[in-house]
Amino acid sequence: DTGVSQNPRHKITKRGQNVTFRCDPISEHNRLYWYRQTLGQGPEFLTYFQNEAQLEKSRLLSDRFSAERPKGSFSTLEIQRTEQGDSAMYLCASSSDRGSYNEQFFGPGTRLTVL
Amino acid sequence: GQSLEQPSEVTAVEGAIVQINCTYQTSGFYGLSWYQQHDGGAPTFLSYNALDGLEETGRFSSFLSRSDSYGYLLLQELQMKDSASYFCAVRDRTGANNLFFGTGTRLTVIP
Repeated sequence: DTGVSQNPRHKITKRGQNVTFRCDPISEHNRLYWYRQTLGQGPEFLTYFQNEAQLEKSRLLSDRFSAERPKGSFSTLEIQRTEQGDSAMYLCASSSDRGSYNEQFFGPGTRLTVL
Repeated sequence: GQSLEQPSEVTAVEGAIVQINCTYQTSGFYGLSWYQQHDGGAPTFLSYNALDGLEETGRFSSFLSRSDSYGYLLLQELQMKDSASYFCAVRDRTGANNLFFGTGTRLTVIP
């Protein structure tokens, strides 16, 4: 297994457009997390899936954001009507329920730039 | 709410020892974690303390004092490749599955 992968690695879009990111977790990891990170800050939690169920959502996740994990494997994060404030690195992480919630394996991220 | 405080920057000499401190305030406590992130890279798990005391993993050690709401990461025999940002993190709140990260400490190792 090669770890958590995310696509695309970079996305440049115009304000008002919709964007979708994909995350492929480590196989057999049933926990999947989305975080957002801006320059000089730590990752901020967005949402959490256990298998296909979305169990937690941060209040940071406005109604323009939606995430899915339809078959409990890969996940997608969609941002509708993007705003310049959405520019950030979007990180996906996964972990196994046989491990600690504190040890999460992060992907390389998708860097979003909204013009 | 949650808060984590750590120094924003630390500079140390190659071969030396450096300590990065973290103080926290949380509504519930489920351990303190440390992550390393190189510029342009993904955060990588380093260590986790659930109980008081020192955990050692190679050149890196992490310490926790729950009574003081305090922990630190100790890096020994510093190497140039240790230049990175280091984040302490706690579980967000009672029953939460996600992590709440501090703002990070940027470590610069100089020759």
